[in-house]
Amino acid sequence: QVTLKESGPALVKPTQTLTLTCSFSGFSLTPGGMDVSWIRQPPGKALEWLARIDWRGTEFYSTSLKTRLTISKDTSKNQVVITMTNVEPVDTATYYCTRSIVLAGIVYFDVWGRGTPVIVSS
Amino acid sequence: SYVLTQPPSVSVAPGTTARIPCGGSAIAGRSVHWYQKKSGLAPVLVIYFDNDRPSGIAERFSGSNSGNTATLTISRVEAGDEADYYCQVWDTSGDHPDVVFGEGTKLTVL
Repeated sequence: QVTLKESGPALVKPTQTLTLTCSFSGFSLTPGGMDVSWIRQPPGKALEWLARIDWRGTEFYSTSLKTRLTISKDTSKNQVVITMTNVEPVDTATYYCTRSIVLAGIVYFDVWGRGTPVIVSS
Repeated sequence: SYVLTQPPSVSVAPGTTARIPCGGSAIAGRSVHWYQKKSGLAPVLVIYFDNDRPSGIAERFSGSNSGNTATLTISRVEAGDEADYYCQVWDTSGDHPDVVFGEGTKLTVL
């Protein structure tokens, strides 16, 4: 059974750095077209993809947020970590960790974690 | 960057068919994926590669993609289908590959 679970602070102050961890099981970051992505959803708004990391450690970032994001992996622990610098209240959202499927260069998300809510406020 | 356009809402009666469009320039040349998002729950993949259903998703869910519009169709709609639905593509048209989501459509079952 594939599961993903997000963890991290529920509240961060503006200008701080947000660090979230995704712990997953039931699959591995190995060659085969599966990797891990982070996606968020601000209250009342649409889904927004943030970043993806593959088995080789190749990183992919949202064009609009790439200067503030870093994604990394610890294969031995089956964990993926994302950091977002200089957070603002508009970064308030539920953050989801997902398994990404990559087929013929096309990406979609077949299993999602429950999400972790993050509030940015002083 | 590539833009996906969805109507904010669609309303149907139980037992009828709901069609949720997702518009994009020449979208038929792209693969479209659909997610169901119920309040308080994580999104669920309901259609991938235009019209493939993951295991566990009811046959009532189907998809199509032609011209400038992809469509998620839900037949024999049930109260439990009430949710927000998002379309998604992987956009490699620019300098930088990106995931694009539509703005979402709220399906209301009357």
